[in-house]
Amino acid sequence: DGGITQSPKYLFRKEGQNVTLSCEQNLNHDAMYWYRQDPGQGLRLIYYSQIVNDFQKGDIAEGYSVSREKKESFPLTVTSAQKNPTAFYLCATSDRGVVLGQPQHFGDGTRLSIL
Amino acid sequence: ELKVEQNPLFLSMQEGKNYTIYCNYSTTSDRLYWYRQDPGKSLESLFVLLSNGAVKQEGRLMASLDTKARLSTLHITAAVHDLSATYFCAVESHSRDDKIIFGKGTRLHILP
Repeated sequence: DGGITQSPKYLFRKEGQNVTLSCEQNLNHDAMYWYRQDPGQGLRLIYYSQIVNDFQKGDIAEGYSVSREKKESFPLTVTSAQKNPTAFYLCATSDRGVVLGQPQHFGDGTRLSIL
Repeated sequence: ELKVEQNPLFLSMQEGKNYTIYCNYSTTSDRLYWYRQDPGKSLESLFVLLSNGAVKQEGRLMASLDTKARLSTLHITAAVHDLSATYFCAVESHSRDDKIIFGKGTRLHILP
């Protein structure tokens, strides 16, 4: 089945540690996004990528890094510089192609906590 | 900078009642999306609104878009408990940089 796979579902980070959240898709979508969700804050955009080997910062990129070496994959690294990483992280994709106005498809999320 | 505001942020209502959730945005756009999120779950696409005056309906939910007023509404008719969830609107930047900004969400609680 086509879809978006985020892993792990739960992740714990120690002080000073970098952790990487995986996002893989087989929808053949060009655009991929990372959002952070905190209670009562809605979704805030961390990074997004419209095409392989290119990505842009969102509104809260500090303390995070990404790569887009393959169309199918858009991993997010939460670095030790991100002092408050506890949140629900959602990966999304969209088919930008020729037809605009396509909704985003979301993965099931990764819940990150500090040990 | 594109900003998206939803109101109310929390809504508790009785089954059978009607209500409307509002989504205002700050810059020109003609692409607006509504999503539903159940507790602890991911987001599910409900509606895509792509032009001024667009109206979409699915069951007891109806969404509309007024691009001149920069306003979208999500209307709930004769609410049922199964509609309890958090509803988000999201607006796509008109600069076509693929940036999509979400509102804070409206947490809807429907009492039996």
